[in-house]
Amino acid sequence: LMLTQPLSVSESPGKTVTISCTRSTGTIDSNFVQWYQQRPGSSPTTVIYEDNRRPSGVPDRFSGSIDTSSNSASLTISGLKTEDEADYYCQSYDDNNHWVFGRGTKLTVL
Amino acid sequence: QVQLVQSGTEVKKPGASVKVSCKASGYTFTSYGVLWVRQAPGQGLEWMGWISAYNGDTNYAQNLQGRVTMTTDTSTSTAYMDLRNLRSDDTAIYYCARGHSTLFDYWGQGTRVTVSS
Repeated sequence: LMLTQPLSVSESPGKTVTISCTRSTGTIDSNFVQWYQQRPGSSPTTVIYEDNRRPSGVPDRFSGSIDTSSNSASLTISGLKTEDEADYYCQSYDDNNHWVFGRGTKLTVL
Repeated sequence: QVQLVQSGTEVKKPGASVKVSCKASGYTFTSYGVLWVRQAPGQGLEWMGWISAYNGDTNYAQNLQGRVTMTTDTSTSTAYMDLRNLRSDDTAIYYCARGHSTLFDYWGQGTRVTVSS
């Protein structure tokens, strides 16, 4: 199982950006998708779990969705701020309930 | 407040073992599991496995089976990750996180492990 993300995306402050995560085998709705943010030099944090749920403290500018037609999940960040500049990783599970991470997307807010 | 405090930087030779600790505070340790993830220099996140602090059940990544052991000490609210027969490609920052199932909401600060002869 592979989760494919774009290597990088960039957008201006105040705009909206969407990061995709395409599942290679099986269906995207067969296992939940999580999204993690990792700012430079920091530990990862969870921004979306169970496809579209936000942990306490994560602003509602962050949203998640899945699209069965493209077999992909998406993380959307609206009202971009410079503090959103980070690496973002999607994660799901294989048939053995082992975690699989995407290779990460570097978000630049310029 | 919930905190996960990991042990300090380690430098090991190939073939040696390393044991990283993750001391939890601010919550009931046995109510959550502990996840271990690592990140090689300049690379992405790699899942290593998970342990239930409630009953010790584990689930390890296939590529680490036989080299990794995860344990907990409920008396000190500490989780441990033991990695044996270290290789240069085990050089990474190792993170623990607390949670269960799909939500891991608190992460440790990371432990840098360098494997070099």
